[in-house]
Amino acid sequence: EIVLTQSPGTLSLSPGERATLSCRASQIVSGAYLAWYQQKPGQAPRLLIHGAYSRATGIPDRFSGSGSGTDFTLTIGRLEPEDFAVYYCHQYGSSPYSFGQGTRVEIK
Amino acid sequence: QLQLQESGPGLVKPSETLSLTCSVSDDSISSFLYSWGWIRQPPGKGLEFIGSFYYNGITYYDPSLKSRVTISVDTSKNQFSMKLNSVTAADTAVYYCARGSVVTSLPLIYYMDVWGRGTTVTVSS
Repeated sequence: EIVLTQSPGTLSLSPGERATLSCRASQIVSGAYLAWYQQKPGQAPRLLIHGAYSRATGIPDRFSGSGSGTDFTLTIGRLEPEDFAVYYCHQYGSSPYSFGQGTRVEIK
Repeated sequence: QLQLQESGPGLVKPSETLSLTCSVSDDSISSFLYSWGWIRQPPGKGLEFIGSFYYNGITYYDPSLKSRVTISVDTSKNQFSMKLNSVTAADTAVYYCARGSVVTSLPLIYYMDVWGRGTTVTVSS
């Protein structure tokens, strides 16, 4: 089973700043089949990135994904007020499929 | 734009069976391009993948739930369903249905790209 560990647990930043979120896997993620989701309170997760770096339809280009193997990163270029939320990584290349525990991006 | 809507009881008694249905707004449920799955989120916690169904009958269940869960599809109604039996308080969660966009069919690889709004299920007597 692949365990995904996200860091930091909480990121306190101001609007306009750059956010860098990490997702580390306990084993190589097959095919770089890694996705990132954004979740706001009371809402369903929203797909941001799939295949480690491919932006989903309608996602602004300030969101970018990178990485391979066991280390993946989600970068938000300049934080907008609507970007403060919880972010999850998810590997779907090997069963059982797994999610990270989440990183909360909060307003400083 | 595709929409998914979960439905089912909000309260289930311990040891009983939780049954949820997801209604899909178009007929893509029969397409080889997509799989259809369930994910849950216990209160204040992270996401847990429950299982999925592919048009050719392939099902996937998380090993921790495999003995208790069944996912099925009714293409005539554009719906898919989940049954989880012998529930306990640990099964209390928001349950989401979602569409998986297939990357490859052999092996079957997909990422969940469209989600329903979720439905809250509480297990309590």
